[in-house]
Formats: sequence, structure tokens, C-alpha cells
Amino acid sequence: KNEVEQSPQNLTAQEGEFITINCSYSVGISALHWLQQHPGGGIVSLFMLSSGKKKHGRLIATINIQEKHSSLHITASHPRDSAVYICAAYGGATNKLIFGTGTLLAVQP
Amino acid sequence: EAGVVQSPRYKIIEKKQPVAFWCNPISGHNTLYWYRQNLGQGPELLIRYENEEAVDDSQLPKDRFSAERLKGVDSTLKIQPAELGDSAVYLCASSWGGNTEAFFGQGTRLTVV
Repeated sequence: KNEVEQSPQNLTAQEGEFITINCSYSVGISALHWLQQHPGGGIVSLFMLSSGKKKHGRLIATINIQEKHSSLHITASHPRDSAVYICAAYGGATNKLIFGTGTLLAVQP
Repeated sequence: EAGVVQSPRYKIIEKKQPVAFWCNPISGHNTLYWYRQNLGQGPELLIRYENEEAVDDSQLPKDRFSAERLKGVDSTLKIQPAELGDSAVYLCASSWGGNTEAFFGQGTRLTVV
């Protein structure tokens, strides 16, 4: 079992829909990253958070430390949001960045 | 501000040949990471530098992979000789250190034929 699990693995949505991607982790963490990767592209950091909630444009990230769970929400989704979304946690004894396997999002017009 | 810069973006080589990747981190970032990402998977750490010191290279296949970060700024990752299984995207990232936000480069997509 991976220390960082994401769900769903694949997600198809219609333009305008509200999207939620979930991330659960089993180790103690100090902070959590949400990252975006377009096909053939590099990785872009969307959020880094250790508590509560952060918002940037149409993106919202929340984290519940007690439940070891984080969510990434996209409001009013658009085809340009199509990408792989990766959750990564700074955790474990060495404070390494531990990656989830990603969620492939496709937003159809 | 320039982000993390990697070169080349793409590289195709024959097996058994050497290859090198270069990374220029964000100015002032002490920590530099090299990751390998296979298709459909998340990145896996190869090596982490704090300034010029490699503090975590436990996942680096040292029989064929080497890395250096002279003067604690730019870094190179080398594979010699390359094998078919080395085909992947090699990502460089940098941060201020510790568990601060990491910024990633565009990656180098390596294809070994």
C-alpha cells in the first residue's frame, strides 16, 4: 500500500462541473503539495499547505491533519484544466517528498 | 524570476551510450532534487542535495548513475551506460530547504533505443 493514495485515478468531467480529487496519507506529514502536470510538460506547484484551506482562482485545496486527508477542488472546470494532478506529502522520518500516483483529469467541452 | 531550467528537453540515445542532463535551480535555493518519472507513475527521488552535499542518494543506481552539484548551484545527472529501462522523464526540482515548497523544471524526456 502506498503511503500517499489518490482517488480517483482517472476522472472525466464536462466543462463547468465542480471537480474534487482526494488524497489520503498514512504517514505523519509536515506539509502537503498539490502539483499539476500537463502531458509532456513539467510539474507546476499549485499549493503547499499544512493546515486549513488555500484558494487560488478556481482552485481550492483543503487539508484535515487529524483525518490525514486532503482535497483539491476545481470550480467551473475548463478543458485547459485537463492534466495529471499529483498529491505529494513531506513526511516520514527523513521528511522526504512522497508522491501519490496522480489523478488524470480530462475536462470535455 | 526564472524557474528551474533543465536541458535538454528531449534526448534519444542508443543503449550503452552515455547521457547527461543539466539543471539550473532557482537562484538562492539550497536544496536540489533529481527525480525519475516513468510513464503513468509518480516521480521517484534519485538524489537530493543540500548545497553541494548529496544528503540522500539511497535510490540512485550508483553502478551507472552519477550526479554532481559543483559550487552548490547547477547540477548534472549522468547515466553511463544507458539501458533500455532508463527511458523516462528526469525531473529537477529546487527549494529553499527542509520542507519548503519545491519548484520543478520542465524535465528531460529520455528515450533509449
